[in-house]
Amino acid sequence: DGGITQSPKYLFRKEGQNVTLSCEQNLNHDAMYWYRQDPGQGLRLIYYSQIVNDFQKGDIAEGYSVSREKKESFPLTVTSAQKNPTAFYLCASRMGPGYGYTFGSGTRLTVV
Amino acid sequence: DQQVKQNSPSLSVQEGRISILNCDYTNSMFDYFLWYKKYPAEGPTFLISISSIKDKNEDGRFTVFLNKSAKHLSLHIVPSQPGDSAVYFCAASLQTGANNLFFGTGTRLTVIP
Repeated sequence: DGGITQSPKYLFRKEGQNVTLSCEQNLNHDAMYWYRQDPGQGLRLIYYSQIVNDFQKGDIAEGYSVSREKKESFPLTVTSAQKNPTAFYLCASRMGPGYGYTFGSGTRLTVV
Repeated sequence: DQQVKQNSPSLSVQEGRISILNCDYTNSMFDYFLWYKKYPAEGPTFLISISSIKDKNEDGRFTVFLNKSAKHLSLHIVPSQPGDSAVYFCAASLQTGANNLFFGTGTRLTVIP
């Protein structure tokens, strides 16, 4: 079955540490996205990539980094520079214009 | 600046009645609109969409209405079922450019048995 896999589902990080969230898709989608969800807020775009080896900052990219070395993979690194990293992180992919997103099941990151 | 707004954070409806979820947007260039349904600790799942060239799209119990002049869309669920209880996000996109989706803040629907 095709889909998007995010791992891990729950992640705990100590303050000052970097952590990488995994996102893999086997849908052959070109575009991939990372969103963050906080309580009472909509999904906010962190980074997106429309093609391999290319990615763009979204609305809240500060403190995050990404890579897109393979079409299937779009890992997100939450760096120690991110002031408030505790949130629910969602990865999504899309075939192209006019298509909706397919979302992963999310990773809940908690800073302890 | 929130370009897509869902002004009702929550809605409660009796089972069997109609649920109406509303969404407003500010960018007149949006030309594709979607509704997503989200359960706790899960990713959103696509529900229904509408292109700006239409004013209505229906899929089973779900109907989306688009009023471009008012920059308003709504999702109607009829009849509502307890399994419909979830958070519903409205989203909009531009056909050109980066094709990002702009999401509303969500409305939590509770269908009371």
